Amino acid sequence: ETGVTQTPRHLVMGMTNKKSLKCEQHLGHNAMYWYKQSAKKPLELMFVYSLEERVENNSVPSRFSPECPNSSHLFLHLHTLQPEDSALYLCASSQVAGGTDTQYFGPGTRLTVL
Amino acid sequence: AQSVTQLGSHVSVSEGALVLLRCNYSSSVPPYLFWYVQYPNQGLQLLLKYTSAATLVKGINGFEAEFKKSETSFHLTKPSAHMSDAAEYFCAVSDERGGGYNKLIFGAGTRLAVHP
Repeated sequence: ETGVTQTPRHLVMGMTNKKSLKCEQHLGHNAMYWYKQSAKKPLELMFVYSLEERVENNSVPSRFSPECPNSSHLFLHLHTLQPEDSALYLCASSQVAGGTDTQYFGPGTRLTVL
Repeated sequence: AQSVTQLGSHVSVSEGALVLLRCNYSSSVPPYLFWYVQYPNQGLQLLLKYTSAATLVKGINGFEAEFKKSETSFHLTKPSAHMSDAAEYFCAVSDERGGGYNKLIFGAGTRLAVHP
């Protein structure tokens, strides 16, 4: 595998389910990001982990819970979601460089909440 | 706070025509600026970035962008559109907070259609 991978690519879940999204980066980067991409809205940054420490949490509801067990893996745990949480969830990674670093994105997980 | 405005949510051009996608930014500090492209069912891919070196930045697939401080603009151009350029394009400004990591503020995106 190369680059940034995400699994699953598609997920349909009920409002009472618990599921997890997985992201893995094969680039040796030290920062990882979760974004939400909804129709007709700009990409929303949800969480950032830099050197495995959460450094950004953009007022995301507690039904989204991130986990970064090491610099290569990032999870997003989901529980009791709402239909408005249906979106494309993108993971990205970068090598921290004072704001000039390029973020490399995975293909995303298309989430549908019924 | 930093912000990005992309003028035109949809742009349509003929194959072989000039592509011009507009981006204006607002930043309280000298900005770092990025253009990303998203093809259907894929994540975002970097086209080019401005990091305070040359104001005319060349990227992949024949795209380039010019940083104009006086106009607070970073428009993306390509001299001759190809069918494979049909995608959504995002302009972003970096909101680096001193923690080193790159917090990107994205525009709403411009969907480019290329017709024969």
